[in-house]
Amino acid sequence: QVLLVQSGAEVKEPGSTVKVSCKVSGGIDSTYKIFWVRQAPGQGLEWMGLIYPIWRTRHYAHNFQGRVAFTADISTNTAFLELSSLRSDDTAVFFCALQNGEIESWGQGTLLTVSS
Amino acid sequence: DIQMTQSPSSLSASVGDRVTITCRASQDIGNDLAWYQQIPGKAPRRLIYAASSLQSGVPSRFSGSGSGTEFTLTISSLQPEDFTAYYCLQDSTYLWTFGQGTRVEI
Repeated sequence: QVLLVQSGAEVKEPGSTVKVSCKVSGGIDSTYKIFWVRQAPGQGLEWMGLIYPIWRTRHYAHNFQGRVAFTADISTNTAFLELSSLRSDDTAVFFCALQNGEIESWGQGTLLTVSS
Repeated sequence: DIQMTQSPSSLSASVGDRVTITCRASQDIGNDLAWYQQIPGKAPRRLIYAASSLQSGVPSRFSGSGSGTEFTLTISSLQPEDFTAYYCLQDSTYLWTFGQGTRVEI
């Protein structure tokens, strides 16, 4: 069984940067991809982009380009989301999710609060 | 970017009802569409992938159909645990997009 465990809740000031981790465990093919999703309070799901850790290929949604960066450490099966120039409307839960063939698994979500 | 228009945004139904939710894509996406269920406070759960393939472990009352630009999620007989939110997701290109979501309410 594939398990994704994300880092804990964060409180950040406007203009700062946050880095969220997503650790993968379980037997999977190394060609998996990780995608990230943002969900503002009471709102729908917003796709942020994806990364193939083994090839370090990344694709970012236009809404986040220039402010977001995905990285991955394949030695520890950990993916990272870094979001900069934080604004109050970045207050949200951020999810990572893994796809590998027919397998899909999600992290538990990381709450980010942006407030001065 | 491909836009996904999901309808309705909410619907009222009763236990045992048959329910259909629709997603329309702004261009042909073949069968590159998935459906998700999200219980408040929880991570989404994929129900259907490749438009009509049932995810392992998902009850058979859920089904998906469609191709090209129009897709449907059908719940054949609503159960109490099905009253929650549903989303479509197109993964046709390297830029994916979710629909706006549908709340299924009692």
